[in-house]
This record gives sequence, structure tokens and C-alpha cells, in this order.
Amino acid sequence: SAVISQKPSRDICQRGTSLTIQCQVDSQVTMMFWYRQQPGQSLTLIATANQGSEATYESGFVIDKFPISRPNLTFSTLTVSNMSPEDSSIYLCSVEGKRGNTEAFFGQGTRLTVV
Amino acid sequence: GNSVTQMEGPVTLSEEAFLTINCTYTATGYPSLFWYVQYPGEGLQLLLKATKADDKGSNKGFEATYRKETTSFHLEKGSVQVSDSAVYFCALISNAGGTSYGKLTFGQGTILTVHP
Repeated sequence: SAVISQKPSRDICQRGTSLTIQCQVDSQVTMMFWYRQQPGQSLTLIATANQGSEATYESGFVIDKFPISRPNLTFSTLTVSNMSPEDSSIYLCSVEGKRGNTEAFFGQGTRLTVV
Repeated sequence: GNSVTQMEGPVTLSEEAFLTINCTYTATGYPSLFWYVQYPGEGLQLLLKATKADDKGSNKGFEATYRKETTSFHLEKGSVQVSDSAVYFCALISNAGGTSYGKLTFGQGTILTVHP
């Protein structure tokens, strides 16, 4: 299994500002994933981040709003830019397991409230 | 595309009652199926999984069987406890095209509340 640390665990931010969420994994992984869980909703994939290439965004998500960095095989950041109250969600980092499509591990999530 | 449909909640049960949460899916390729649980204020935890047809995943008294013929992966527990109160998510990973490793498609989640 993989141990994933996300920071911060929660934050309250003013609208119009940006927040960068960090995700650290205890082992090297090829792919890292960022999900959003809006209040009372399921999880939606924002983007897939591979080391050494630009992140791949899902429909409805754009790089200007959610820029992602992936500087090495154990670390990634997601920035929520120019925030509005609609961005209030839990943001979760996930990584694939060693056995490809049979595993996925999650961080504890970052609970973001935009006021 | 891939999709997962869960029974609508919330579900409220008394302790020791039998639990079923229905989950059906559509997917290309040969998906792996998962149940994740999210306890209040906590992150997502893998509850159980099944990687091929007729596999049964089990953990903590919960079970789910991968039924390819009905494209289902229903979660069951014979006797629930108050501590099982949480949100349960059915999910899949499909490896069709080799581009989906680790990329999960989730159902909408089912809130379970168990009363003493």
C-alpha cells in the first residue's frame, strides 16, 4: 500500500485568492490523480498528473483554474485559483497501486471553504 | 464511457439489521470494482474490491460479488453496527485502452446511518 500525506487538511479562504494543496507519497508512483468532492456529492476526477509531462484534465476542468505541478515521482501540488464559494469542496489526491488497475490509494483530503 | 450507479440513500437501519446497497456499472474492457467507505470527517478508505467476474470481495463483515452478467457489485452485511455509519461509494477502474490505471469512476455515494 501507499501512504499519502496531504496538506493542508483544511482551510478557509477568501474569494479571489488561491490555495495550493500538496500531496506527498511515501513511494515512487507514475500517476497521481486529483479529485474533487463537492458537499454531499460524489468524487469527480479533476486531472491526472504524470511526472515530466503536463497534467491531463477532465471535461469541465481547465489548467488556468486548477494548475498542477508534478516535479518528481513522489510529490504533486494542485492549486485552486481565483476561488469562489462554489470551489468549497474536499480535494483528494490519489495514486495508483503497484498492480495498476487493481488498486488506488487516497490521501485524507483537504477540506476547503471559500468565504 | 464508464459509469457507476448506486441505490439512492440515505439508508437508515437499526443495529444488527441486514444491509444491502445496490451498485450497477457500465464500463468498457474488464473493470475492477471497489467499495470505498468515508467515515465522518475522514478520508476515503478502501473497504473491499474484486478484480474479475465472480470474485467476492470481503472485509469487516461486508461482502460484494462481481456479477458480470448483471453488471452489478452489491454491498451486503449481515448485521450492521453503529460504527458502520458512513458514506459508501461504489467505484470502478477500467483498463480499456491502457490509459486508466488508478483512475476511478465513482457512484454517487450512499449515506448509511445505523441506530442503536
